[in-house]
Amino acid sequence: DAMVIQNPRYQVTQFGKPVTLSCSQTLNHNVMYWYQQKSSQAPKLLFHYYDKDFNNEADTPDNFQSRRPNTSFCFLDIRSPGLGDAAMYLCATSRGRDRGKYEQYFGPGTRLTVT
Amino acid sequence: AQSVTQLGSHVSVSEGALVLLRCNYSSSVPPYLFWYVQYPNQGLQLLLKYTSAATLVKGINGFEAEFKKSETSFHLTKPSAHMSDAAEYFCAVSLTGANSKLTFGKGITLSVRP
Repeated sequence: DAMVIQNPRYQVTQFGKPVTLSCSQTLNHNVMYWYQQKSSQAPKLLFHYYDKDFNNEADTPDNFQSRRPNTSFCFLDIRSPGLGDAAMYLCATSRGRDRGKYEQYFGPGTRLTVT
Repeated sequence: AQSVTQLGSHVSVSEGALVLLRCNYSSSVPPYLFWYVQYPNQGLQLLLKYTSAATLVKGINGFEAEFKKSETSFHLTKPSAHMSDAAEYFCAVSLTGANSKLTFGKGITLSVRP
């Protein structure tokens, strides 16, 4: 089945130690998104790629970076994780950027713990 | 700008009872409306989507939602709750266009009692 895969599902990192989360998709979608979801809160969009075009949300901290080396893969890099960055990180994909027209397909998420 | 309001954070129903999860939206133009479900430690799954084709939208797992413009509402219902429906439910709104944003409500946790 075509799907969105996130690895690892659970990640523990130390305060200030860089960490990378991975997302891959077999849907061949043009757009890939990264969301941060803290406990009992709505998902918050960090950034998205439309093909190779990177789009950062205005309130995303500089500590968060992303890479998309090819259509299938997208990475979330947290350069110096703080305790406040502990959250579930969700990757999603869609065929196009029109978020009314094109459904977003979500991966299972990576739960990040910062010690 | 668009927004959604999901009143309350938790709804509890008995198995077999009606499920009603409320969502009100704010938008200056006709919006697209969504309901997503999130099971514990899982990603979001689309339950249903309103695109203006029909005001009553049927989704997966027996859920449906009715778009009521006069009430700016898009409440989610299911006639008979099942234990497997216990999850978090998010209402979301988007406009159309390449610069559109998908805005989520804060979510409602549904518990189903045996």
